[in-house]
Amino acid sequence: EAGVAQSPRYKIIEKRQSVAFWCNPISGHATLYWYQQILGQGPKLLIQFQNNGVVDDSQLPKDRFSAERLKGVDSTLKIQPAKLEDSAVYLCASSPPRTGNRYGYTFGSGTRLTVV
Amino acid sequence: AQTVTQSQPEMSVQEAETVTLSCTYDTSENNYYLFWYKQPPSRQMILVIRQEAYKQQNATENRFSVNFQKAAKSFSLKISDSQLGDTAMYFCAFTRSNAGGTSYGKLTFGQGTILTVHP
Repeated sequence: EAGVAQSPRYKIIEKRQSVAFWCNPISGHATLYWYQQILGQGPKLLIQFQNNGVVDDSQLPKDRFSAERLKGVDSTLKIQPAKLEDSAVYLCASSPPRTGNRYGYTFGSGTRLTVV
Repeated sequence: AQTVTQSQPEMSVQEAETVTLSCTYDTSENNYYLFWYKQPPSRQMILVIRQEAYKQQNATENRFSVNFQKAAKSFSLKISDSQLGDTAMYFCAFTRSNAGGTSYGKLTFGQGTILTVHP
């Protein structure tokens, strides 16, 4: 099966600029996750979608971050305005409706964001 | 809230030898899954092994096996016959599931352990 697609792969912006990341999950995966991974740390959940509804956005800095999942498929994550501390890898993942699939979660290759 | 702790920031091993990575977790849930993921420099998270909490038998996948101690909330990964391609960051992760164990929740990750395999 095709993997989770993410773009762009790299992005460099100046602080206070805006940026958007795109994710296309595995076909049939109802749940989509965005994680932020700061260098040398484990990924931290930003937001979880079930179809096109938000399940958990408790750790999303809502004053600057926003995310949407149109029609329960693709998703975009936006940062506006960006701060230096937003420099990180942004990972998108999806999971199937049931746990029978031994692989469970499938991750994209991430977008490395550098804010200068 | 769930927490996952990996107390070894870095580990190294000689090729063909065995290494064990440690992980402890804290949860009040009864139904959950535990995972080990490998993240090479390409950033792709690759599933190494999965353990269902309701199963007493430790999971194995070829050279990879776990020691799951539910009462102690410990979940270590043993890599046998280490290969150069095993060099990567390894993450322990936790997710709760529903009572039937049929659906996943969000993943909570540990801080990671950098494993280097030397020739």
